[in-house]
Amino acid sequence: GENVEQHPSTLSVQEGDSAVIKCTYSDSASNYFPWYKQELGKRPQLIIDIRSNVGEKKDQRIAVTLNKTAKHFSLHITETQPEDSAVYFCAASRGGGGYQKVTFGTGTKLQVIP
Amino acid sequence: GAVVSQHPSWVICKSGTSVKIECRSLDFQATTMFWYRQFPKQSLMLMATSNEGSKATYEQGVEKDKFLINHASLTLSTLTVTSAHPEDSSFYICSAPWQEDEQFFGPGTRLTVL
Repeated sequence: GENVEQHPSTLSVQEGDSAVIKCTYSDSASNYFPWYKQELGKRPQLIIDIRSNVGEKKDQRIAVTLNKTAKHFSLHITETQPEDSAVYFCAASRGGGGYQKVTFGTGTKLQVIP
Repeated sequence: GAVVSQHPSWVICKSGTSVKIECRSLDFQATTMFWYRQFPKQSLMLMATSNEGSKATYEQGVEKDKFLINHASLTLSTLTVTSAHPEDSSFYICSAPWQEDEQFFGPGTRLTVL
């Protein structure tokens, strides 16, 4: 089955700096890679996703890159703000209309220091 | 966007009792739903895939006789934790696919077994 590794487990940055979270996956058939933000006691919220036919995607301060050959994908948050503080999860799936299961990474606790 | 609800949001029960958790897709039909368990400071671990009209598919290591799943209709899946014990205390979250690969998560159910 799929195995998703995520680093670092914790990350502290000063407000305004950038944050980078990296993930690797094992299943070469995975082709959908979502990133979720989860606040304490709440549901995961999709913040950005990327499919295997795209190498990079950006949405305002958030960007994701994918290296399918190396099975690496990364989340980049620029100009961090205190409200970005949360736990972030990467994930991988074989896609297929959402009916394929999603495997989550181990999570990164991001703390943005004002 | 799509909405997924869960009920109850939290439950406290005595050891040995059974607890039922409902997951509903409120404005769309879901032939497939996923059930996750999340222990404190850990990632979401997929427990099983719930399929409308057929048996659920359980992940390795998940006891199907302990975690009963019933996908009664196109908008409702239920997870019953039978003979709950303190080690079953966790945050249980369901999700349903919506439009291509995106998953919509329920708000979660906090189970505490005394």
